[in-house]
Order: sequence, then C-alpha cells, then structure tokens
Amino acid sequence: GAVVSQHPSWVICKSGTSVKIECRSLDFQATTMFWYRQFPKQSLMLMATSNEGSKATYEQGVEKDKFLINHASLTLSTLTVTSAHPEDSSFYICSASKRGAEAFFGQGTRLTVV
Amino acid sequence: AQSVTQPDIHITVSEGASLELRCNYSYGATPYLFWYVQSPGQGLQLLLKYFSGDTLVQGIKGFEAEFKRSQSSFNLRKPSVHWSDAAEYFCAVGARNFNKFYFGSGTKLNVKP
Repeated sequence: GAVVSQHPSWVICKSGTSVKIECRSLDFQATTMFWYRQFPKQSLMLMATSNEGSKATYEQGVEKDKFLINHASLTLSTLTVTSAHPEDSSFYICSASKRGAEAFFGQGTRLTVV
Repeated sequence: AQSVTQPDIHITVSEGASLELRCNYSYGATPYLFWYVQSPGQGLQLLLKYFSGDTLVQGIKGFEAEFKRSQSSFNLRKPSVHWSDAAEYFCAVGARNFNKFYFGSGTKLNVKP
C-alpha cells in the first residue's frame, strides 16, 4: 500500500510557541490531505481537509488561525499549531489520498505543550 | 448528518475465543466502510475495507467484516483472537470521493490469557 509519513513522531514545546507537523506521501501524489486530532481515549476528529494549491477547509469549531494548514505540493502538507497552549496537547494524524483512491494514514504526531 | 456508532467502549475476550465488534453508521449516501486498528501511541493500520460487491470482506490478521445495508452495520469479526490483537479498533465511513472520513469512538479490546 501507499506510504504516508509524518514528522516528527513526537514533539514537546513551550506554551506560546508554534510547532509545525509535516505530512508526506512518499510514493504517490496526494491531491487531498486530511488532518485529524485525537484526544486521549477518544476517536479521531477531522480538523480540516486540504487540496493541493488551495486553501484548507476547516471543520466547524476548528480555529483556522490557530491551526494553519498548508498543502503546497502534491506530496507535502503541513499543520502549524500557533501559540500553542497545554490544551492543544493531543495526537495529530494526517491522511493522504489520490483522487478517486482511498486515503492512507500517517503514524501520528504526539504534541505535548508545557 | 453523518455519524458512526461503536456501542461497545471496552470488550474483553479470552484468547482463542471469537470476537465481534459492532459498528453502525448513518450516512446520506452509500459510503465506503473501513475498520482500522490502533496500538497505543501509534497511527492507524487498515484492517479491511468495503467499497462494493461481496458484502463479506476479508482483511489482514484473520479479520473479516460484513456489510448489512438494511441494518446500516459493518461489524468486524474474528473467529479466534490472539493476545496480539489487543488494541483499539475504529470503524470509519468515508465519502465515495474520499473527501471526508468519519470515525466511530473506538472499541478497546482486551485479551485475557
């Protein structure tokens, strides 16, 4: 199957700083990438959908100015958590799909804000 | 509105016993259906998927699932559970153009020796 890589796997940052998470499709061109957030012992919640070269579409309740998503190329999307606070600590997972094909998930990024 | 319900939060089975994890969905159109497994601190691994055709689908690690349109269900089964199957399992539905996925709340499986 196709491979989607997330980096970093885990990150600790200080409150008030920004952190960037990368999602790469290694062996296919991803026309669409998705970002999910998973709170402890909860399911994945879709945060936003991004299509290459256009602005991301955010789900209701997700602050687009806080969670900046960039999908500048067909193999890379980034999620930047700006001015992070402890409540932003979570597990973030991306997935990538090629038009008309299924989506593949990255291994996730554990963010801890201290 | 789209939703996925996994009614069982925790399930404990003995090793070697059979397993069935329930999943019901509400979706406006015929969706694509998936089961994923997640080990602690890890990402998601696809177990199986249903797009069309035979309603009984086979997946990896000996898992299978049956799509029942009349019941809006996609239950996951395994005839004999192994200790290594202990993990959290998520049912998901997706639009046919893969533009959105919706996940159930997950079922945590414990396996007794």
